[in-house]
Amino acid sequence: SAVISQKPSRDICQRGTSLTIQCQVDSQVTMMFWYRQQPGQSLTLIATANQGSEATYESGFVIDKFPISRPNLTFSTLTVSNMSPEDSSIYLCSVAQQGTGELFFGEGSRLTVL
Amino acid sequence: GENVEQHPSTLSVQEGDSAVIKCTYSDSASNYFPWYKQELGKRPQLIIDIRSNVGEKKDQRIAVTLNKTAKHFSLHITETQPEDSAVYFCAASHQAGTALIFGKGTTLSVSS
Repeated sequence: SAVISQKPSRDICQRGTSLTIQCQVDSQVTMMFWYRQQPGQSLTLIATANQGSEATYESGFVIDKFPISRPNLTFSTLTVSNMSPEDSSIYLCSVAQQGTGELFFGEGSRLTVL
Repeated sequence: GENVEQHPSTLSVQEGDSAVIKCTYSDSASNYFPWYKQELGKRPQLIIDIRSNVGEKKDQRIAVTLNKTAKHFSLHITETQPEDSAVYFCAASHQAGTALIFGKGTTLSVSS
């Protein structure tokens, strides 16, 4: 199974600042996905990130607020820009296992915005 | 886009009973339906999945059924144990390996 490392695991941020979350995978993967999980809620897809192309964002999420980079097949970043308390959430990186297509998740980055 | 509805939102059973969680989806092009278990403070983990060319799949105490005509799929857990207590999410996608759309989750509590 894919091993996914996310940094930071948690952070407390001030309103109006930005934070970049990193996702590192131990194998090359074509597609990486970013999800948000608000407290006690389900997982909501933010965007799909393919290497070498612009990320594809879901309805309600825009590139200016959640810019994503995908410089290679093992790494991606998600930036949460101009944060407000409503952005307090767990952000999870996910990748699809080659062959089975099973989605594995990182441990998540818990952001608290004050 | 795809919309996945999940019921019930909470489910309490006695140890040894069966538990059933049901989901419906809206996109007839969806062909892959996994179920994830998320324990408190941990990441979601796949417990079983089913593809549209199969009507039922079983793995020990866990089974999943799919009715493509009705756009329903269900998770069945038999002989529940306290360690089955967690939040369960159903999901759907066009094919394995693509982005999943999740249901709202079911909090299962198994009391001994």
